[in-house]
Amino acid sequence: EVQLLESGGGLVQPGGSLRLSCEASGLSIGSYGMSWVRQAPGKGLELVSAIRASDGSVYYGASVDGRFTMSRDISRNTLYLEVNSVGGEDAALYYCAKVLGWLSGGLGFWFDSWGQGILVTVSS
Amino acid sequence: QSALTQPASVSGSPGQSITISCTGSSSDIGTYDHVSWYQQFPGTPPKLILYDVRKRPSGVSPRFSGSKSGSAASLTISGLQADDEADYHCSSYTPTNSYVLFGGGTKLTVL
Repeated sequence: EVQLLESGGGLVQPGGSLRLSCEASGLSIGSYGMSWVRQAPGKGLELVSAIRASDGSVYYGASVDGRFTMSRDISRNTLYLEVNSVGGEDAALYYCAKVLGWLSGGLGFWFDSWGQGILVTVSS
Repeated sequence: QSALTQPASVSGSPGQSITISCTGSSSDIGTYDHVSWYQQFPGTPPKLILYDVRKRPSGVSPRFSGSKSGSAASLTISGLQADDEADYHCSSYTPTNSYVLFGGGTKLTVL
């Protein structure tokens, strides 16, 4: 069974930084595309970033700017998302999700396993 | 404003069928059969219920079905049950630098 466990969220001051982690079990993150998806309160889903299985190339959602950095440590089976200069627009529930489709060597783009999510709150 | 358009809410009575639409453009849904649907209960993560327009992952009820016409996709839930009450999100692959598009979500109420 695939399990994705996010950590590292919480209260962040505006202008601060945060590092989210996603520890995976039941799969090797090096064999599948993985992603971060966020959901602001009462809003829809939004792709933050995704990483391709084969070569570790990282892709960022169109609304995400250069403040975000996604990475993976295959030996630890863990994903990371670093965010700098955090602003109110970054407040959301951040999900780690396994991606199938072209990021995993196929076609298309869909999310077949999700973590429980980690909340990021931005306030001074 | 979301890239894909879904109705904010739909409702139906137990036993009925309901359909949720998801409208995109000729660049995404209109060209690619890579539409997926997710069910989300309050306080829980989304759950994949359909991918590639109409394919169901193992364990998903056959009461959930998908279709596509032109630049719009649809999710149909037949034999509506009380525990189908949830938010439903559509998504589509896009070859642009967005990679994947989402709808704003539709709240299904079972009357």
